[in-house]
Amino acid sequence: DAGITQSPRHKVTETGTPVTLRCHQTENHRYMYWYRQDPGHGLRLIHYSYGVKDTDKGEVSDGYSVSRSKTEDFLLTLESATSSQTSVYFCATLRELNYGYTFGSGTRLTVV
Amino acid sequence: GDSVTQMEGPVTLSEEAFLTINCTYTATGYPSLFWYVQYPGEGLQLLLKATKADDKGSNKGFEATYRKETTSFHLEKGSVQVSDSAVYFCALHYGGATNKLIFGTGTLLAVQP
Repeated sequence: DAGITQSPRHKVTETGTPVTLRCHQTENHRYMYWYRQDPGHGLRLIHYSYGVKDTDKGEVSDGYSVSRSKTEDFLLTLESATSSQTSVYFCATLRELNYGYTFGSGTRLTVV
Repeated sequence: GDSVTQMEGPVTLSEEAFLTINCTYTATGYPSLFWYVQYPGEGLQLLLKATKADDKGSNKGFEATYRKETTSFHLEKGSVQVSDSAVYFCALHYGGATNKLIFGTGTLLAVQP
């Protein structure tokens, strides 16, 4: 396993507040991803990174930003949380394609 | 655009029954195909993969064959166990420098003793 740690595991926050989720990996994988998982939608890509300071948007990036200042950390920020961002958020890393993604255990975020 | 379609669940089976979960894809080229499994309260784990047409991926008794002619990658297992209860995701990767996976919506499998 890539040794992926997501923090926090659970969070409840109020509408309009900023929230930052952290993904930390210990295997020096180049690629990192943030997905959200919602019933009926499967996993949808929010943002991804293909190297330090190299990031790009996924299919559901509105209201989210990311930063990757070092290889091991990939931060996801909800700039002003809304109830529609209540979800389970997964971080993933990729060593090489044929090894498949490695996923973290997820962060359950509730926006009230 | 590229996409993955999975059969809707839940799929409810008795222990030792035969399992099929259908997956079809749309892609403009020749993607690699994957099955991931998510056990309750956990992240996704790679179950099996196939990187080209006619390849068969297998792991833990599960199998899937990459069928280019039918654009399918159906997951099968001959005899399911209660411990196989989970959500199963089909996914494809197609080209590009960013190595993004595109997931289906997932199929919940519930196996009863």
